[in-house]
Amino acid sequence: GESVGLHLPTLSVQEGDNSIINCAYSNSASDYFIWYKQESGKGPQFIIDIRSNMDKRQGQRVTVLLNKTVKHLSLQIAATQPGDSAVYFCAETGAGGTSYGKLTFGQGTILTVHP
Amino acid sequence: DTGVSQNPRHKITKRGQNVTFRCDPISEHNRLYWYRQTLGQGPEFLTYFQNEAQLEKSRLLSDRFSAERPKGSFSTLEIQRTEQGDSAMYLCASSSPFFGRTTDTQYFGPGTRLTVL
Repeated sequence: GESVGLHLPTLSVQEGDNSIINCAYSNSASDYFIWYKQESGKGPQFIIDIRSNMDKRQGQRVTVLLNKTVKHLSLQIAATQPGDSAVYFCAETGAGGTSYGKLTFGQGTILTVHP
Repeated sequence: DTGVSQNPRHKITKRGQNVTFRCDPISEHNRLYWYRQTLGQGPEFLTYFQNEAQLEKSRLLSDRFSAERPKGSFSTLEIQRTEQGDSAMYLCASSSPFFGRTTDTQYFGPGTRLTVL
């Protein structure tokens, strides 16, 4: 079946370093991709999104890169801070049809930032 | 706080009992989604409303589960005859698409953690 997955389940970095979290997806019809951050006991928090007609989008300290050729998505966090420690999920949804609006999530990457 | 709210935040029940959760979306968001998340996994889609119409249901939503959004505002998710396998975090999200867009950003609530003993 169609799925979204992550290469690395855990990532440990030092405060101030840059972090890169990767995600692979299998649905070539995927149209919209989102990164969420989830802290313990809380719901997923929107970080940044990108549509399939783009290959890069930047936010505050975060950048999302999309490579449709290899169906790969990455989240880059600049100058990582202890408050960035959380589980990060990528999610995707297809364009129209029965996948309309429904997000498919990957397994998640645990990011730990050491002071 | 104008975000998505969910109540209760925690629910402990005995197997066989019925439970009901409530979700209040962001004001004026016409789309509302329910997801289920088990430990160590990403959220899994359960069902989706556009206004009061339930437009899609996952195979995960067995006949013991029912969701409603009677006035197109808040929504309820009811689980009848709960089973231990129903223990999970139940998440609600809402969104409001821009005109002409088919996809849009979903904002999540804090979730309701269900424990079935």
